[in-house]
Amino acid sequence: SSELTQDPVVSVALGQTVSITCQGESLRTYYATWYQQKPRQAPVLIIYGNNQRPSGIPDRFSGSGSGNTASLTITGAQAEDEADYFCFSRDSSPTRVLFGAGTKVAVL
Amino acid sequence: EVQLVESGGGLVQPGSSLRLSCAASGFTFDDYAMHWVRQIPGKGLEWVAGLSWDSHTVIYGDSVKGRFTISRDNAKNSLFLQINSLGLDDTALYFCAKDTYYGGPPSDAFDVWGQGTMVTVSS
Repeated sequence: SSELTQDPVVSVALGQTVSITCQGESLRTYYATWYQQKPRQAPVLIIYGNNQRPSGIPDRFSGSGSGNTASLTITGAQAEDEADYFCFSRDSSPTRVLFGAGTKVAVL
Repeated sequence: EVQLVESGGGLVQPGSSLRLSCAASGFTFDDYAMHWVRQIPGKGLEWVAGLSWDSHTVIYGDSVKGRFTISRDNAKNSLFLQINSLGLDDTALYFCAKDTYYGGPPSDAFDVWGQGTMVTVSS
């Protein structure tokens, strides 16, 4: 089982805002990293560090965190945002990378 | 163009071994940590292993520790994953991924991914 917990499915109306959460004790120490994956494609990094977006990632994607919970927010969801979203985190005891089971986002 | 191309997957029997390779191009390979991540088709991602640019820091996921060995050859811009004692639950698509941070230890942020190589374990 994953040490980062995500809701399996979240839905959002086109143009509306949705937040995906990720919970785990490691998030009290480390920022969450978020990946987007569409069917039959490799994952894409969308948020890392303190709410940083790689070049080419739209600014409607943002990240935040509080306590043991990290959130990915899509402000004004588009049809192309329908995908699976995975959260990752570092861990230090032992040093490793943790991962969530993923959230499927449906844009209605 | 920044690119990662995995190879070495295939159909293997339980208990056998396999060596996966990842050829990197389009960036200075020995400036970045590298990782392997796997995915059972239709399921979630599982981080497998990470290796610093100089091979001094190596980290593994709990489910593969002791059976998998990650290594790299900076002269050949290549990353490897030696997999021993393969079991049915090792069946997955194995991705090679580049760390985001220049010169740092393995992190959890991977900004370049290959398309994966499929490993199928079956008798």
